[in-house]
Amino acid sequence: DADVTQTPRNRITKTGKRIMLECSQTKGHDRMYWYRQDPGLGLRLIYYSFDVKDINKGEISDGYSVSRQAQAKFSLSLESAIPNQTALYFCATSALKGDRSNEQFFGPGTRLTVL
Amino acid sequence: DQQVKQNSPSLSVQEGRISILNCDYTNSMFDYFLWYKKYPAEGPTFLISISSIKDKNEDGRFTVFLNKSAKHLSLHIVPSQPGDSAVYFCAVRRGSNYKLTFGKGTLLTVNP
Repeated sequence: DADVTQTPRNRITKTGKRIMLECSQTKGHDRMYWYRQDPGLGLRLIYYSFDVKDINKGEISDGYSVSRQAQAKFSLSLESAIPNQTALYFCATSALKGDRSNEQFFGPGTRLTVL
Repeated sequence: DQQVKQNSPSLSVQEGRISILNCDYTNSMFDYFLWYKKYPAEGPTFLISISSIKDKNEDGRFTVFLNKSAKHLSLHIVPSQPGDSAVYFCAVRRGSNYKLTFGKGTLLTVNP
């Protein structure tokens, strides 16, 4: 079973629609992240959360919002989708402490297309 | 302003030879450096890392070198295998906030 799951895996929507991408993890990690990947631009951080009560903007948060419903769940919303939000979206988690706390573990990604 | 640069978008090597992927960074305050590998239709997976207090870390066929004076990081894969064909991202971290900043990635193709 995957430790970090994302739903949906693929989504096509229209400009102006509200979209929610969901992320769940069974790793027991406190820290969760949302990234987007665009061709030639690498991974860019949208939002991150270090615990349920802590939400922080990343480098490209405009047009997005997040909700940390529980330690294991972190959702990303596009309130009114626009075509330049077409991208591959990744959720990631990391531990608060321990030998592997420097690593982030990624989900399989959600491919979002906004027409 | 790019803090992490992977100047080679792609690299092609023959099976059995060495692959060298490079990464440059701008901020001397970065203290932890990681390499991730990404296959198509999958999320990135952690490969190897190095702390700023070291200059080399080895794990099997993979070795990461850190040159702090040059602000340069490299990943060596020896010997390269076709299954190593993937996009490789370097990532850097500053301090204890655990945010990572990623480079744009290098597509490695290992030809049989």
